[in-house]
Amino acid sequence: DAKTTQPNSMESNEEEPVHLPCNHSTISGTDYIHWYRQLPSQGPEYVIHGLTSNVNNRMASLAIAEDRKSSTLILHRATLRDAAVYYCILRGTNAGNNRKLIWGLGTSLAVNP
Amino acid sequence: NAGVTQTPKFQVLKTGQSMTLQCAQDMNHEYMSWYRQDPGMGLRLIHYSVGAGITDQGEVPNGYNVSRSTTEDFPLRLLSAAPSQTSVYFCASSTRLAGVWNEQFFGPGTRLTVL
Repeated sequence: DAKTTQPNSMESNEEEPVHLPCNHSTISGTDYIHWYRQLPSQGPEYVIHGLTSNVNNRMASLAIAEDRKSSTLILHRATLRDAAVYYCILRGTNAGNNRKLIWGLGTSLAVNP
Repeated sequence: NAGVTQTPKFQVLKTGQSMTLQCAQDMNHEYMSWYRQDPGMGLRLIHYSVGAGITDQGEVPNGYNVSRSTTEDFPLRLLSAAPSQTSVYFCASSTRLAGVWNEQFFGPGTRLTVL
């Protein structure tokens, strides 16, 4: 299974943009890049996912490198509620690799008031 | 919709006891899964199911059994609890569109302590 690499922790100030990087150099052509976040004492929640093109939704933007070996989750204006652990995960579309998600340790984001 | 529900929220067991963690979803999702999360760690997949009557093992299946008799329910059974199974357990579900599994919805978790 393709793995991802993320920094252990990052820090941001409230109302500033945050760029959370993820490296996935062994990504295959059919792997989707998914991002989840986990607030303290809660289950993970879906943030965004994409394949090749940049994606936007109400929570965040996902910028995917042209070679797809890295991606960046962008929070446009961080709030205190965005303090969480952010996970970057690859999910394939083949029957053999789309059923088991491999979760790393993620990036712990601290937001300063 | 209630989404994904898990019961109980907290449980304390003695070594050797058995119990079932309940998970239910009302979104008609085909895919359901169980994860455990140990302190300071990411999630590890225990078992998963892609539909009623179909289950398979994840990364850490030993000591756990599952069954999927309905689309809605996916219980996780601990056969003989051990202190190493002290963890937070999350259930998740997702659906598929055009052959691609979509976002996973997670339950609130069950915090299990085995003494």
